Amino acid sequence: DGGITQSPKYLFRKEGQNVTLSCEQNLNHDAMYWYRQDPGQGLRLIYYSQIVNDFQKGDIAEGYSVSREKKESFPLTVTSAQKNPTAFYLCASGQGVGQPQHFGDGTRLSIL
Amino acid sequence: GQNIDQPTEMTATEGAIVQINCTYQTSGFNGLFWYQQHAGEAPTFLSYNVLDGLEEKGRFSSFLSRSKGYSYLLLKELQMKDSASYLCAVTGAGSYQLTFGKGTKLSVIP
Repeated sequence: DGGITQSPKYLFRKEGQNVTLSCEQNLNHDAMYWYRQDPGQGLRLIYYSQIVNDFQKGDIAEGYSVSREKKESFPLTVTSAQKNPTAFYLCASGQGVGQPQHFGDGTRLSIL
Repeated sequence: GQNIDQPTEMTATEGAIVQINCTYQTSGFNGLFWYQQHAGEAPTFLSYNVLDGLEEKGRFSSFLSRSKGYSYLLLKELQMKDSASYLCAVTGAGSYQLTFGKGTKLSVIP
């Protein structure tokens, strides 16, 4: 079945540690996205990529980094510079302008 | 920039009809999406409106008025499983990005 796979489902980070969230899609979509969701807040865009080897900052990119070396993969690194990383992280992919985005099941990140 | 407003919470009775409103202000507009999100789960796509009017899809319908910056999602014959958050999102002209509202949490009661 085609879809988007995020791993792990739950992740714990120690202070000062970088962690990487995985996102893989087999929908052959060009565009991929990372969102952060906090309680009572809507989804906020962290980074997005329209094509391999290219990505753009979203509204809240500080403290995060991404790469897009393959069409299928768009990992997100939460760096130690992100002071409030506890949130639900959602990865999505889409065909492009005017097309719906399809979401993975999310990764819930907590601080130890 | 873009600004999207939705009611925070709504409650409706099983079997009834509920309308969830969304107003938006945007510098460019290329369409409006509605998503459903159950607690702790990923959002799932419900509907997309780019032209004015009503789009019907089973028990769910979505309406758009571009001149008023207004949309609504209509849910008929409510079921308990419809208890979820409903997210309104808009996309700007030629843009890959979606801007989401904060979502409306719908509770369906017996």
